[in-house]
Amino acid sequence: QQQVKQSPQSLIVQKGGISIINCAYENTAFDYFPWYQQFPGKGPALLIAIRPDVSEKKEGRFTISFNKSAKQFSLHIMDSQPGDSATYFCAAKKAAGNKLTFGGGTRVLVKP
Amino acid sequence: KAGVTQTPRYLIKTRGQQVTLSCSPISGHRSVSWYQQTPGQGLQFLFEYFSETQRNKGNFPGRFSGRQFSNSRSEMNVSTLELGDSALYLCASSLGPSGSNEQFFGPGTRLTVL
Repeated sequence: QQQVKQSPQSLIVQKGGISIINCAYENTAFDYFPWYQQFPGKGPALLIAIRPDVSEKKEGRFTISFNKSAKQFSLHIMDSQPGDSATYFCAAKKAAGNKLTFGGGTRVLVKP
Repeated sequence: KAGVTQTPRYLIKTRGQQVTLSCSPISGHRSVSWYQQTPGQGLQFLFEYFSETQRNKGNFPGRFSGRQFSNSRSEMNVSTLELGDSALYLCASSLGPSGSNEQFFGPGTRLTVL
């Protein structure tokens, strides 16, 4: 049972463009939604996270938009750079415990 | 502050063998979680430990087990290895067992089962 669905599986964007990754969840008990960035050969690194009482959170070039009623959230990478080329994972967690349920991942390639 | 460390980084085993992986969390972090990452199944939760107690367990067979020591270091063990156990095993540490505590991942241990 895939509780967090992520799309697209891959995307190619030109340098300076906007990368948009979408996630949808099913379990309304989730209350913490982080995004992770992973480079080949490395572990996932926390990028930005949001709670459902906030509709948008911005940190530098990275913005999370959250739609609680639709049970969807998305990551926007503004002014995409070649160094942003990586795999991005959305995740969700319930209030109790630290179990993260991950989306399937999106491989982003930023062309110079 | 040093990050999460995992040893060994690479491991090659044969079917039927067992393996033990180690994780040292960030200093001061007391919660450790383990994940398996494969191209087919993605990132899947294995188990979570806090104060030497398993708090949560994912949907994996009993061949997968773990433990946590009093210094918060954790080990996971896989017995009777199968080809399908080939994966990147990731450890994540956080301050405590709940809330929106940020989780920080180590570099992983790449296990290959031949």
